[in-house]
Amino acid sequence: GQQLNQSPQSMFIQEGEDVSMNCTSSSIFNTWLWYKQDPGEGPVLLIALYKAGELTSNGRLTAQFGITRKDSFLNISASIPSDVGIYFCAGLPPLTGTASKLTFGTGTRLQVTL
Amino acid sequence: GAGVSQSPRYKVAKRGQDVALRCDPISGHVSLFWYQQALGQGPEFLTYFQNEAQLDKSGLPSDRFFAERPEGSVSTLKIQRTQQEDSAVYLCASSLDGQRNYGYTFGSGTRLTVV
Repeated sequence: GQQLNQSPQSMFIQEGEDVSMNCTSSSIFNTWLWYKQDPGEGPVLLIALYKAGELTSNGRLTAQFGITRKDSFLNISASIPSDVGIYFCAGLPPLTGTASKLTFGTGTRLQVTL
Repeated sequence: GAGVSQSPRYKVAKRGQDVALRCDPISGHVSLFWYQQALGQGPEFLTYFQNEAQLDKSGLPSDRFFAERPEGSVSTLKIQRTQQEDSAVYLCASSLDGQRNYGYTFGSGTRLTVV
């Protein structure tokens, strides 16, 4: 099935550094979501974006919904060891058929060194 | 319960065996979703229920896959005659209102290994 393209695929950073990752699609989405998944667990929702151009923050996390509606990015400021995990973007298409079907990205694996 | 509960956490099946994976959603959640996550990939949609009605099963990879939610709460994903390519983590998620509601809560998943 279709998966959104995320980059980078993985990254190693030092504690305290800022992190940036993005997600692109060939088709338009009406909603962008960012999830974090820890090993052996299900994804946990971090941020939801509902309209083009929207910039939303959740603590040290900031995400933006691209103007073209085909991309989104996530920034993490001042990273800490517990930020380690896999970050997934997910999109909801315009309201056609079953609107609740999420399309996930390929994931960005984040590792933080002390 | 407080979260989405899935059982078993791990399942090893011999090729050709039938398996049944269970999902207990959050009490009162109307919508329930099943996703399949292959190793190193993001989750992929399988099927969606609103109460007991299966509104979308377009993601089920073959007719060996079957899901049900007969009373609008617990759901079971059944895979018949398992194949090695069925090996994956199967995630269940629920939400209070599935119509454009984004507050999905995922369970921890069932890791299926077909040998």
